[in-house]
Amino acid sequence: KQEVTQIPAALSVPEGENLVLNCSFTDSAIYNLQWFRQDPGKGLTSLLLIQSSQREQTSGRLNASLDKSSGRSTLYIAASQPGDSATYLCAVRSYNTNAGKSTFGDGTTLTVKP
Amino acid sequence: DGGITQSPKYLFRKEGQNVTLSCEQNLNHDAMYWYRQDPGQGLRLIYYSQIVNDFQKGDIAEGYSVSREKKESFPLTVTSAQKNPTAFYLCASSIISGPSGTDTQYFGPGTRLTVL
Repeated sequence: KQEVTQIPAALSVPEGENLVLNCSFTDSAIYNLQWFRQDPGKGLTSLLLIQSSQREQTSGRLNASLDKSSGRSTLYIAASQPGDSATYLCAVRSYNTNAGKSTFGDGTTLTVKP
Repeated sequence: DGGITQSPKYLFRKEGQNVTLSCEQNLNHDAMYWYRQDPGQGLRLIYYSQIVNDFQKGDIAEGYSVSREKKESFPLTVTSAQKNPTAFYLCASSIISGPSGTDTQYFGPGTRLTVL
């Protein structure tokens, strides 16, 4: 059974700092890994999707990496801004679970202080 | 505008009542999903559907039911058998890409259900 862990549960940084969010998964037989942003009381917004054949994806100040052999993904945020404050979740779609199912981590809540 | 809509935004239910949450998408996606989110936690899959008139149970299907009569619509009914239904419910959709792994999930804005 796939298990996804995100540590830390919460992170507070000053504006302008570069930071890394972590996502670990137990089963490396995956189709893809997706990073989402969730603002309080809102739905999820997709940030980046990394296919199993890829090592990283970039969008603006965001860079996501994937290391299947170690069961880890990181989301790097450069030059953080107060508007980046949100909860970030990762989701893994695995071969060895029901087709179409993603397993989500509990998220990391990021606060960027002005 | 393409996207996923959910209604209502807030829903209140008395104990013993069934309620239905609406989810509509105009993205022409084959797959649709219902998730439940409790405070401080990630998402747990309730049901998903990869094609019209077919759906599968997720991890926490007990007390819930769904239908998929149209490609665009995937309503979720929370029945009186669901003992702790107060939660945030999220609907999502995606293409089905199989091994290529390109199936980004797109989410609706959510429905917050409260049992009175």
